[in-house]
Amino acid sequence: EVQLVESGGGLIQPGGSLRLSCSASGFTFSRYYMSWLRQAPGKGLEWVSTIYSPGSTYYADSLKGRFTISRDNSKSTLYLHMNSLRTEDTAVYYCARVKLPGDCFDIWGQGTMLTVSS
Amino acid sequence: ELVLTQSPGTLSLSPGQRATLSCRASQSVSSSYLAWYQQKPGQAPRLLIYGASSRATGIPDRFSGSGSGTDFTLTISRLEPEDFAVYYCQQYGSSPLFTFGPGTKVDIK
Repeated sequence: EVQLVESGGGLIQPGGSLRLSCSASGFTFSRYYMSWLRQAPGKGLEWVSTIYSPGSTYYADSLKGRFTISRDNSKSTLYLHMNSLRTEDTAVYYCARVKLPGDCFDIWGQGTMLTVSS
Repeated sequence: ELVLTQSPGTLSLSPGQRATLSCRASQSVSSSYLAWYQQKPGQAPRLLIYGASSRATGIPDRFSGSGSGTDFTLTISRLEPEDFAVYYCQQYGSSPLFTFGPGTKVDIK
């Protein structure tokens, strides 16, 4: 079964740092672009970042410089390193597989909740 | 920056009725890169349609997509009870790399 499982969310104070993880199974992880997306409580979906290789990473302009996406193909795991967290970063964070062709998201994890609050 | 607008914001219909959801882009979008998702409360989104009109794996044929340029439509031919949810359109290709519309909620009348 193709599956993505996120972990690492929780409650963190403004200004803090955190790393989210996404463990993939059921497909050849290294062959796919992978992404992080988020959804603030009661709001819509927002794309955060996408990676194919270390030299092929993409970020939403508003997050560039604070968030870093990475992957470990040997562990079939995707990461999102988040620094200088703000209250507005509070959201459910999803990892998702990018479908090509189509450039959309065909497999999603269940999400991990991040709350940034003092 | 490309903006996607969805209408209506909420669509109140009964099971068995036809639902027509609109997604409009602020500039022309390649049909190859327009997708639709369904999201139910507490769940992750599910891909329904990609390439404007191709159904994703396992999606029933009551869901169909159409459109080109700046105007795209998701149609649900006959609503089933499990179809009441929020629907998002999404595009790839312009800054930002991926953009979502604000969503249309289909609820039970």
